[in-house]
Amino acid sequence: AQKITQTQPGMFVQEKEAVTLDCTYDTSDPSYGLFWYKQPSSGEMIFLIYQGSYDQQNATEGRYSLNFQKARKSANLVISASQLGDSAMYFCAMRPPWDQGGKLIFGQGTELSVKP
Amino acid sequence: KAGVTQTPRYLIKTRGQQVTLSCSPISGHRSVSWYQQTPGQGLQFLFEYFSETQRNKGNFPGRFSGRQFSNSRSEMNVSTLELGDSALYLCASSRGGNTEAFFGQGTRLTVV
Repeated sequence: AQKITQTQPGMFVQEKEAVTLDCTYDTSDPSYGLFWYKQPSSGEMIFLIYQGSYDQQNATEGRYSLNFQKARKSANLVISASQLGDSAMYFCAMRPPWDQGGKLIFGQGTELSVKP
Repeated sequence: KAGVTQTPRYLIKTRGQQVTLSCSPISGHRSVSWYQQTPGQGLQFLFEYFSETQRNKGNFPGRFSGRQFSNSRSEMNVSTLELGDSALYLCASSRGGNTEAFFGQGTRLTVV
């Protein structure tokens, strides 16, 4: 069965430091997409970064990078130089092959708190 | 470029009523998917539409339905509302295939 696991319910990081949020996934399909989203208390789901299963290089978007280790089925999010505004829930998600319908499977989320 | 727009943002309904939520995707995006988010169950997939066709459906009762119009705008309807339907409803749009998916701000539904 396709599944996303985020093992860190909550994390703290000091402002300006880097932090890694863990995500492992389970699928037998060779084609899939991996996503990270940020959800502040307002509820909006903000897209951060995307990695396709066939992408050779790890995805990066500004201060966000995705550490994609295909053999280990992990897709950890690295946030560099944390800012107070990074405090939010972070969700890892996987999309199975497109021909199975464009649904996203989410993990339970990690609540990140950035300390000044 | 406009993002995904969901209306209304907040809604209060009474048990037994029905409700319709709207989602306008990013221009050029043909896939719209819907999710329910609750503290207890997390984010759960409701259904996905692509070019007006429902391609996938989650494990929700038949009271939850949706549709997509020719301009890719989508609506979801919940009939005979129950207290447990209180949730944040999110929609996401995508061009399709292995591309990014972007969410709207959500509709927060409260059933009293």
